[in-house]
Amino acid sequence: GIQVEQSPPDLILQEGANSTLRCNFSDSVNNLQWFHQNPWGQLINLFYIPSGTKQNGRLSATTVATERYSLLYISSSQTTDSGVYFCAVLLSYNTDKLIFGTGTRLQVFP
Amino acid sequence: GAGVSQSPSNKVTEKGKDVELRCDPISGHTALYWYRQRLGQGLEFLIYFQGNSAPDKSGLPSDRFSAERTGESVSTLTIQRTQQEDSAVYLCASSLFDRGSQPQHFGDGTRLSIL
Repeated sequence: GIQVEQSPPDLILQEGANSTLRCNFSDSVNNLQWFHQNPWGQLINLFYIPSGTKQNGRLSATTVATERYSLLYISSSQTTDSGVYFCAVLLSYNTDKLIFGTGTRLQVFP
Repeated sequence: GAGVSQSPSNKVTEKGKDVELRCDPISGHTALYWYRQRLGQGLEFLIYFQGNSAPDKSGLPSDRFSAERTGESVSTLTIQRTQQEDSAVYLCASSLFDRGSQPQHFGDGTRLSIL
C-alpha cells in the first residue's frame, strides 16, 4: 500500500525560529491536507493543497505532486505552534479516505 | 457556522460493555468518515459514508464494530463487547463530496477508555 512518511519525526525549536516539515508519499494522489493536532488533541485544518503553494499568515505549504512530496513552512515559530503536524493524502484511485503520515512532533520553547 | 460535533467527548467503560459514539457532520456535507487514533499514533481509517450508504467499510477492525448514518445527517459508531485494545480517540470528519476535491473537516473526537 501507499507509504506516507514525514520528517523529521521530532523537532525542538526556540520561539522565533523557522522550520520546514516534509511529507513524502509513494503513490499518485488526488489531494493532500496538512493538519495541526494541538496538545488537547484537536485536529485543525491548515492547508488543502493538491499542488502549488499556499500561504496563511506565518505558515505556507508547497506540494509537488509529480515528485510526490509536500513541504510545510513555519516562520517565526510561537509556543502555540507546538503539537503534532500530520500530512494526509487521498489516492488517485481511491478517493474515499485520507491516509495519514507518521507525523512530526514540534515543541517550541520560549 | 457549526463544525463537526461529536459526543460524548470522553467515555470510560468496562471491558465487555457496548458503546455508541455519535457524530453530527457539518450541515450540507454528504460524505462522512470515521477514523481511530491510538495513543501516539496517526489516524487510521474505519468507514466512509456517502449519504446513508457505506461504500467503504474496509477499515472496520472486526465484526464488533458497526456504523449507521441517517440520511445525510447523524452517524453512530457502535462497538460491541469492548476490549482494552479498543481504547483510542475516535474521530469523525465530513466533506462536501466531490470525489476528493473537497477537504475533510474533523470533530474533536471521543476519547474512549476501556477498563
